[in-house]
Amino acid sequence: QVQLLESGGGLVKPGGSLRLSCTVSGFTFNDYYMYWIRQAPGKGLEWVSHISSRGDSTYYADSVKGRLTISRDNAKNSLYLQMNSLRTEDTAVYYCARLRGFVDYFDYWGQGALVTVSS
Amino acid sequence: SYDLTQPLSVSVALGQTATITCGGNNIESKNVHWYQQKPGQAPVLVIYRDSNRPSGIPERFSGSNSGNTATLTISRVQAGDETDYYCQVWDSNTAVFGGGTKLTVL
Repeated sequence: QVQLLESGGGLVKPGGSLRLSCTVSGFTFNDYYMYWIRQAPGKGLEWVSHISSRGDSTYYADSVKGRLTISRDNAKNSLYLQMNSLRTEDTAVYYCARLRGFVDYFDYWGQGALVTVSS
Repeated sequence: SYDLTQPLSVSVALGQTATITCGGNNIESKNVHWYQQKPGQAPVLVIYRDSNRPSGIPERFSGSNSGNTATLTISRVQAGDETDYYCQVWDSNTAVFGGGTKLTVL
């Protein structure tokens, strides 16, 4: 069955860095666009970034542009989010999610990784 | 940017019908998807492309989209339906989510 498993979350000081990973199984990873979506404590869902199936196109929310970098390794069935220059407002649960098809719905989500940015 | 407006909360009596709205400019021109999120869990798709139900989602869940409002309807509401619901559309290659609605079952 389809599974997405995030790892790499934790506590980091403002200005620090963290790298999230999302390892998938149960489907052909390189057939799908992949997304990072976050949720601040008590808040709603926010799209962060996404990457094309081959990894040659990436997109970012304005709030993270220049600080967060999405990438993928199709040979390892893995999605990544390199997070630099972190701010307190980046504190959130970060979900990786699979997009069903072009501008369609998110059909599978990981369980989420908590990132806490605090001094 | 495209904005989606959801009521912060909706209350409904057990066994009755709940209606959760999602407002957006000419939203009927877009496909609207709905997600249910229980505390501490990832969102789960309950309606896709306005009115389609994924396998495993009860028939009590339905959706519609017209004019400037998309609607998620939950019939014969159960206690287990009490949680948060989010609508989602695409705008300029960006996934846009509504602010979420907390459904309370009385």
